[in-house]
Amino acid sequence: SQTIHQWPATLVQPVGSPLSLECTVEGTSNPNLYWYRQAAGRGLQLLFYSVGIGQISSEVPQNLSASRPQDRQFILSSKKLLLSDSGFYLCAWSALGSGFYNEQFFGPGTRLTVL
Amino acid sequence: GNSVTQMEGPVTLSEEAFLTINCTYTATGYPSLFWYVQYPGEGLQLLLKATKADDKGSNKGFEATYRKETTSFHLEKGSVQVSDSAVYFCVLGAGGTSYGKLTFGQGTILTVHP
Repeated sequence: SQTIHQWPATLVQPVGSPLSLECTVEGTSNPNLYWYRQAAGRGLQLLFYSVGIGQISSEVPQNLSASRPQDRQFILSSKKLLLSDSGFYLCAWSALGSGFYNEQFFGPGTRLTVL
Repeated sequence: GNSVTQMEGPVTLSEEAFLTINCTYTATGYPSLFWYVQYPGEGLQLLLKATKADDKGSNKGFEATYRKETTSFHLEKGSVQVSDSAVYFCVLGAGGTSYGKLTFGQGTILTVHP
């Protein structure tokens, strides 16, 4: 069966510090991968998606970047955090080529607080 | 573009009450529809889905029917439990792309009291 991991689970960082959040998927190959941010426990905003190694698309301009160094690894980064980067970050995967008919599977999330 | 509108909430019910959370959508083509649930401090879990008109998705006592004529996908449960307290998201999957972009409703907070 497939599983998705995220770490760390929680993170408190000062403004201006760098960020690296990691997401890995097990039990599947060539997944589509996604990074979302959820503010105030409500709506989800798609930040990045990837359909393959090294292929990253950004949905919104922001202080963050993403990379996919391996097939089942997706990393969210920042060189200098802003207060507005605080939130709950969710990674998700879907089967390659599934288009919009198949669901996405979400990880447990990382709670980031920027002080 | 695609959009999802769901009941704003919060919704507060007593245990064993009937639940309805309304969801309507706007989309081109033939979208798939999902309900996801998020328990406090956790990621989202797929609750149920429907991929074509008149499909009924069901899971854990929850049901939703894909109504193309009314562009709706309302979530229902006949008897809620305290453990159903969570945030519920109506989600649409559509668009002619290969990466499966989803459109999320704003979420409805459900609180069930004993």
